[in-house]
Amino acid sequence: AQSVTQLGSHVSVSEGALVLLRCNYSSSVPPYLFWYVQYPNQGLQLLLKYTTGATLVKGINGFEAEFKKSETSFHLTKPSAHMSDAAEYFCAVSRGGGADGLTFGKGTHLIIQP
Amino acid sequence: DAGVIQSPRHEVTEMGQEVTLRCKPISGHNSLFWYRQTMMRGLELLIYFNNNVPIDDSGMPEDRFSAKMPNASFSTLKIQPSEPRDSAVYFCASSSEGALYYGYTFGSGTRLTVV
Repeated sequence: AQSVTQLGSHVSVSEGALVLLRCNYSSSVPPYLFWYVQYPNQGLQLLLKYTTGATLVKGINGFEAEFKKSETSFHLTKPSAHMSDAAEYFCAVSRGGGADGLTFGKGTHLIIQP
Repeated sequence: DAGVIQSPRHEVTEMGQEVTLRCKPISGHNSLFWYRQTMMRGLELLIYFNNNVPIDDSGMPEDRFSAKMPNASFSTLKIQPSEPRDSAVYFCASSSEGALYYGYTFGSGTRLTVV
């Protein structure tokens, strides 16, 4: 079965600093990996995804993530944090080889300090 | 496109009552998913449909939970009878055949409180 581990339930960074949110996965099939963001009282919005091909994936709002098979990781980064980035971030892996839904990590709450 | 539409946004009900949550997927999407989000367990997949047919309901916690998709544009998740431990945010998501490339689109959720 597929699983996702997000290290750190809360991450705090200063405005303008680097954002790094960690995600490790376990998958018995080639993984498809996703990052979603959830703002307070809202649904989940897709930030970026890795399917095949280039391992460095760029998403919306200046975020990017790199797929590292040898490390089974898919960490999310942003060079310079903005106050509007404060939200809950979820890493997810496809449940199987097909489009049969996602298995999510527990989430990381990103706090931006002024 | 209006996106995935869920109703109601908030529901407060008394223990023992029947609760029905509704979802309208994006037009043209052929898969629909129901997730539950709690502080303790995070986001859990309850059930998903493909072409209106339930494919995997292994995540449905108990027989008190049931889901239907009578047509391509409507799905319901019913809890009967409801219990306080059912309090959570319930999300509906939909996808097309290219879900692994285009992603899954989530609704805004229904926050259920059972008192």
